[in-house]
Amino acid sequence: SQTIHQWPATLVQPVGSPLSLECTVEGTSNPNLYWYRQAAGRGLQLLFYSVGIGQISSEVPQNLSASRPQDRQFILSSKKLLLSDSGFYLCAWRERGARNEQFFGPGTRLTVL
Amino acid sequence: SQKIEQNSEALNIQEGKTATLTCNYTNYSPAYLQWYRQDPGRGPVFLLLIRENEKEKRKERLKVTFDTTLKQSLFHITASQPADSATYLCALMNYGGSQGNLIFGKGTKLSVKP
Repeated sequence: SQTIHQWPATLVQPVGSPLSLECTVEGTSNPNLYWYRQAAGRGLQLLFYSVGIGQISSEVPQNLSASRPQDRQFILSSKKLLLSDSGFYLCAWRERGARNEQFFGPGTRLTVL
Repeated sequence: SQKIEQNSEALNIQEGKTATLTCNYTNYSPAYLQWYRQDPGRGPVFLLLIRENEKEKRKERLKVTFDTTLKQSLFHITASQPADSATYLCALMNYGGSQGNLIFGKGTKLSVKP
């Protein structure tokens, strides 16, 4: 069966510090991968998606970047965090083909102080 | 502008009643629409998917309808239980959308009182 992992679960970082969040998927190959941010009262916002190793598409301009160094690894980064980067970050994957639902990880709660 | 709206931020109902949640969209042509459940501090969990050519889908106590004329989906939980308390998100995939990307509503927080 497939599983998705995210770490860390929670993170408190000062403004201006770097960020690295990691997501890994097990039990599937060549998935589509997604990074979302969920801020209070704002719903799920798609940040990045990837259809393959090294292929990253950004949905909104922002202070963040993403990378996919391996088929089932997706990393969200920032060089200098802003207060507005605080939120709940969710990684998700989707199988290619007919199945369309997305499977979400447990999330990372990021607080920037 | 394009919008996907879940009409109620919160819905409170009594145990045993049917909960009905609404999802409306504007200026999208969805190929399909999905519903997810999200518990506090957790990632969303997929519940149901309904395609544009389907009017209704059922799964146990859950029922989803999709009216492309009204541009609306309704999500019903029959015989609701306190364990059904959670936030429910609707999401659509637009025709021509990139790689199956979903657009999510803000969610409706359902509270079922015993």
